[in-house]
Amino acid sequence: GAVVSQHPSWVICKSGTSVKIECRSLDFQATTMFWYRQFPKQSLMLMATSNEGSKATYEQGVEKDKFLINHASLTLSTLTVTSAHPEDSSFYICSARPGTSGRLSEQFFGPGTRLTVL
Amino acid sequence: SQKIEQNSEALNIQEGKTATLTCNYTNYSPAYLQWYRQDPGRGPVFLLLIRENEKEKRKERLKVTFDTTLKQSLFHITASQPADSATYLCALEDSSASKIIFGSGTRLSIRP
Repeated sequence: GAVVSQHPSWVICKSGTSVKIECRSLDFQATTMFWYRQFPKQSLMLMATSNEGSKATYEQGVEKDKFLINHASLTLSTLTVTSAHPEDSSFYICSARPGTSGRLSEQFFGPGTRLTVL
Repeated sequence: SQKIEQNSEALNIQEGKTATLTCNYTNYSPAYLQWYRQDPGRGPVFLLLIRENEKEKRKERLKVTFDTTLKQSLFHITASQPADSATYLCALEDSSASKIIFGSGTRLSIRP
């Protein structure tokens, strides 16, 4: 149980285009999903926290107009990188917390999406 | 300032030996600490959670200790195997900010 999927697993796009990444909880409902970014040999950095049916909360320094997050259902959150540039190339990972859990510690991570912007 | 540090960027050990990884934190008071495994190009996989009132936790060949005085956690893999080669991340909860903070990871390589 507690499986989180991401789609696509990798994507290459041209500079200036927008890319959408999906995060799904497959066998549980997730009231909260988290989006992380990881650069090579660095740690996961939280970008934003998204709660189903409400606006996402972005971490300091993360542009909310550039990284659009939609958490429209209890099993799906999407991250759209708008007008992507080469510096947005990174590994994007989502995690999901079951709705039955009040603990931050109970997060299940997706397999990640490798974004390369040319 | 607040920091969570994993002292070794990389660790290479012989198969069969015990691998010990270190995680230190500064200016946090976590109620628990977690360890994750991350393989290249994959998301983290949860391994163990140890609470502040627990000194030690074990799971098969894994052992974690948590010293809140030293502000340190040690992660041990006994009888290490090449399949244990991966990056290991420690993480703690920043309760004031309602988020999990990750260390930068230690890349462990087990040579046959």
